[in-house]
Amino acid sequence: GDSVTQMEGPVTLSEEAFLTINCTYTATGYPSLFWYVQYPGEGLQLLLKATKADDKGSNKGFEATYRKETTSFHLEKGSVQVSDSAVYFCAPNAGGTSYGKLTFGQGTILTVHP
Amino acid sequence: NAGVTQTPKFQVLKTGQSMTLQCAQDMNHEYMSWYRQDPGMGLRLIHYSVGAGITDQGEVPNGYNVSRSTTEDFPLRLLSAAPSQTSVYFCASSRDRGKTGELFFGEGSRLTVL
Repeated sequence: GDSVTQMEGPVTLSEEAFLTINCTYTATGYPSLFWYVQYPGEGLQLLLKATKADDKGSNKGFEATYRKETTSFHLEKGSVQVSDSAVYFCAPNAGGTSYGKLTFGQGTILTVHP
Repeated sequence: NAGVTQTPKFQVLKTGQSMTLQCAQDMNHEYMSWYRQDPGMGLRLIHYSVGAGITDQGEVPNGYNVSRSTTEDFPLRLLSAAPSQTSVYFCASSRDRGKTGELFFGEGSRLTVL
């Protein structure tokens, strides 16, 4: 079955630091790839996605590139803010009969200090 | 916009009690699902539905029942609560029977079983 390995947290950074959260996956076929974010006390929400190899998803200053050759989808941001403090989840969606049945990583807690 | 609404937000049960977690969405989404979130384990799929009258099991279905009599509602029933079911539960919906993989989440229901 599908699986995903995320960089273990928690990650603590100072404001304006560079962020990388690693994500690698195993999936059948050619999955779409997603990053979801969970702010304190809230449900998850879609941050960005990529649907095919070499696609770059981006949103709110975050970016991730679909690397088929390394089965990776690392999340990056050049300058984090305190408001980026949240839990980040990587999730492949294999499609086929697995539509909507995302496999979530364990989540990476990010804390940004002023 | 209401989106996905879950009730109750908090619940404490005693072992052996039963209860229903309610989930309603107003986006006319065909796909709905229930996840549980436990520390260090990410989100795990309990049950899902690709349309009214259709339900199927996810990764961790034991101890839970669901039904989908309308497009809008997808209640999750705990028949006889156990301490292992202490968790945060999230309902999520998606259009296109979940093909897009883009899930819209509720704010969650925190359940404690004593």
